Amino acid sequence: KAGVTQTPRYLIKTRGQQVTLSCSPISGHRSVSWYQQTPGQGLQFLFEYFSETQRNKGNFPGRFSGRQFSNSRSEMNVSTLELGDSALYLCASSGKMYEQYFGPGTRLTVT
Amino acid sequence: GQQLNQSPQSMFIQEGEDVSMNCTSSSIFNTWLWYKQEPGEGPVLLIALYKAGELTSNGRLTAQFGITRKDSFLNISASIPSDVGIYFCAGQGSGGSNYKLTFGKGTLLTVNP
Repeated sequence: KAGVTQTPRYLIKTRGQQVTLSCSPISGHRSVSWYQQTPGQGLQFLFEYFSETQRNKGNFPGRFSGRQFSNSRSEMNVSTLELGDSALYLCASSGKMYEQYFGPGTRLTVT
Repeated sequence: GQQLNQSPQSMFIQEGEDVSMNCTSSSIFNTWLWYKQEPGEGPVLLIALYKAGELTSNGRLTAQFGITRKDSFLNISASIPSDVGIYFCAGQGSGGSNYKLTFGKGTLLTVNP
């Protein structure tokens, strides 16, 4: 089975711009979660989608949003980028129980 | 909110040594997961624990779900250079955020050949 894929792997944006990241889960997995990873804060939960519905949300501002499509693929969007949004954004998919399988991440740099 | 304290923050050991790391929480978790992350990659799931007191092995790795449900331990026996990486614990709690994982800050493991 193919693993979780994320595109793009690397991205450089300017403050004030917006960005969309994409995640394709493992085939058959219906839950997709997004995390932000930074050296200072570690792995922070952004949100989780299941069957196109946001089921859980972390403590991030409304500039961070996401969605899930009928094929379980998910996107997250960050609007009005700030320097502090520079991070590794990780997507994880889950099929059974609470085991989450991560993709390689998208490294976002905001200048 | 739920917080996980993971220790130690880093370890520098010699090849062949055994390693122990642990995570503690102020609240009860229903599931404990252990991940390893290498540079430039996402975390890889090593072991999942679902029951208090459960002891599970994956090769040279052994993890335990504490009986209080507030802690978990990971042991690596006979370490080798490819064990290098950051090890994270993650817990899934009870209550409204059932599907969210809370992560520890990680243990950076360095193995000297």
